[in-house]
Parts: sequence; C-alpha cells; structure tokens
Amino acid sequence: GENVEQHPSTLSVQEGDSAVIKCTYSDSASNYFPWYKQELGKGPQLIIDIRSNVGEKKDQRIAVTLNKTAKHFSLHITETQPEDSAVYFCAASMRGNNRLAFGKGNQVVVIP
Amino acid sequence: EAQVTQNPRYLITVTGKKLTVTCSQNMNHEYMSWYRQDPGLGLRQIYYSMNVEVTDKGDVPEGYKVSRKEKRNFPLILESPSPNQTSLYFCASSLDGSGGELFFGEGSRLTVL
Repeated sequence: GENVEQHPSTLSVQEGDSAVIKCTYSDSASNYFPWYKQELGKGPQLIIDIRSNVGEKKDQRIAVTLNKTAKHFSLHITETQPEDSAVYFCAASMRGNNRLAFGKGNQVVVIP
Repeated sequence: EAQVTQNPRYLITVTGKKLTVTCSQNMNHEYMSWYRQDPGLGLRQIYYSMNVEVTDKGDVPEGYKVSRKEKRNFPLILESPSPNQTSLYFCASSLDGSGGELFFGEGSRLTVL
C-alpha cells in the first residue's frame, strides 16, 4: 500500500517568515494529495489539495507543489501568522480509491 | 450546519467494559471512516464504509467493530477494550470516497485503564 513520509516533524518559524513542509510518497499510481490542518482540540480540516495533472496550486498564503518524478509534494505557507500554528498532515491516494494514506503529521509553531 | 458529530468526546473506562463511540453526519455522505491518532504515529484508519451495509477493514482493525445500518450513522464498537486502545479517535465522512474532501468530527479521547 501507499506509504507517506513527512518531514520535518516539528518546525518553528518567526512570524512573517515562510514555512515549508515536505512529504514523500511511495506509490507512483497515487494522484490525489491533500493537506489537512489540525488545530488544538479539533479534528483535521482540509486546507488545500492537488491532483497529479497539476504541478502547483495556490490559495492566498498557502501553496502546494508536486514533483511526480521525485514522488514528493510540499506545503508552503508564506507570511506566517500565529494562527498558522497547528499540526499539518499530508496524505496521498489514487483517484477513485477510498484509502487515504496519511503522513505522521508536522507540528508548526509560529513564534510571535 | 454541515458537521460530523461524535459522542462521547471524552471517556475513561476499564479494561473489558464494552463501549460504543457514536458518529453521525448530516451531509448525506456515502463514505464514512474511523481513524485513531497516536503520538508519533499520525492518523491510522480503523474501518471504513462506502455505503449502508458496506464496511471494510482499514490498517488497524483489530479489537474494533463497526456497523452501518443507516447512512448518517457509523458507530465504533470496542467489545473488550484494552489499554492499547487508549487513543484519540476521529470519525470522518466524504461524499463518495472517490478522493475528495474528508470532513472530520472533533474527536473522542478514550482512556482505558
């Protein structure tokens, strides 16, 4: 099955700086890559996703890039704010497949 | 408001005492799933359901049961809980399980003594 690895496990950034989280996946057939944000005491929530026919997608301060050849995808957060502090999960699955494989999560801490 | 509701949110129980964590969604979603979240292990899928009366094992199904008698409900049953089932549990749903947004509940923190 799909195996998703996420690095680094913890990331601290100064407010206003950028944060980048990278994930690698094992199954070249995977073609759907979402990112979920989990705030303290809450369930994960989808913040952005990308499909394999696209190399990059942006939504305001967040963006996701995909490198299919290297089998990795990254989340970029620009101009970080304290409310960006959370755990971020990447995931991967094949289109039409009901099994999302999640990474282990990344704790992002934005220092005011 | 579209949501996934889990109950109870917090529970402390003892080894062997059967318990059920309920999950209900009001979005008419076909796909529902249970995950457990443990430190350093991320989110691991326990069971999922593609539709009413259709359930299947995820990655860590041992010690759990589920049922899907109605579209909106997907309870998680621990017949004989053990301390290694102490965890944070999440129920999630999506429109049809074909690769779209998963909507998560707020979580149920279970402690088995």
